[in-house]
Amino acid sequence: AQSVTQLGSHVSVSEGALVLLRCNYSSSVPPYLFWYVQYPNQGLQLLLKYTSAATLVKGINGFEAEFKKSETSFHLTKPSAHMSDAAEYFCAVSGNNNDMRFGAGTRLTVKP
Amino acid sequence: GAVVSQHPSWVICKSGTSVKIECRSLDFQATTMFWYRQFPKQSLMLMATSNEGSKATYEQGVEKDKFLINHASLTLSTLTVTSAHPEDSSFYICSARDVPEQFFGPGTRLTVL
Repeated sequence: AQSVTQLGSHVSVSEGALVLLRCNYSSSVPPYLFWYVQYPNQGLQLLLKYTSAATLVKGINGFEAEFKKSETSFHLTKPSAHMSDAAEYFCAVSGNNNDMRFGAGTRLTVKP
Repeated sequence: GAVVSQHPSWVICKSGTSVKIECRSLDFQATTMFWYRQFPKQSLMLMATSNEGSKATYEQGVEKDKFLINHASLTLSTLTVTSAHPEDSSFYICSARDVPEQFFGPGTRLTVL
């Protein structure tokens, strides 16, 4: 079985500051890991994914994440936050059966 | 990336009526689709896995007679909320699997009065 834990339900940063959203996973098999963004009343948009290739994954909108097996982590970062980054972010994991499990989500607020 | 559509995007219905939500994969075939439910300010909760040509697999605690799922073709899965009640009001999101990831629809907001 797979699961993810997102540390911090709410993160607030100033515009231009570093964004760090934390995700730890648990998986009995090599995992596939994903970060999604959700804007109000919309579906999920894939930011990036780890599928056992490079451990540092670059995604859209300047986001990236690093897979660290020793720490069972897949934290999402962005060097400089924009106002448009304010949204809900979900980390997700899937295993062999591709049954995707989501974290509780982290709401990112960007202050001007 | 692949595109998944949902229809309708929002629906309001009276208590006791049934509502059908469609999920379509527009540019790929999906033998497996998933249905999620999301309450305000909460994460997505997997309701069921929909397999083309066979019965859906429901998660523990999800009433299969309440939430009917039909995956009749490789591009269409439907979720019917039967005898809807106000507590069924939620945001329903489907996804279609294109290994190893899933592509998500835009969601359907259901409000039951």
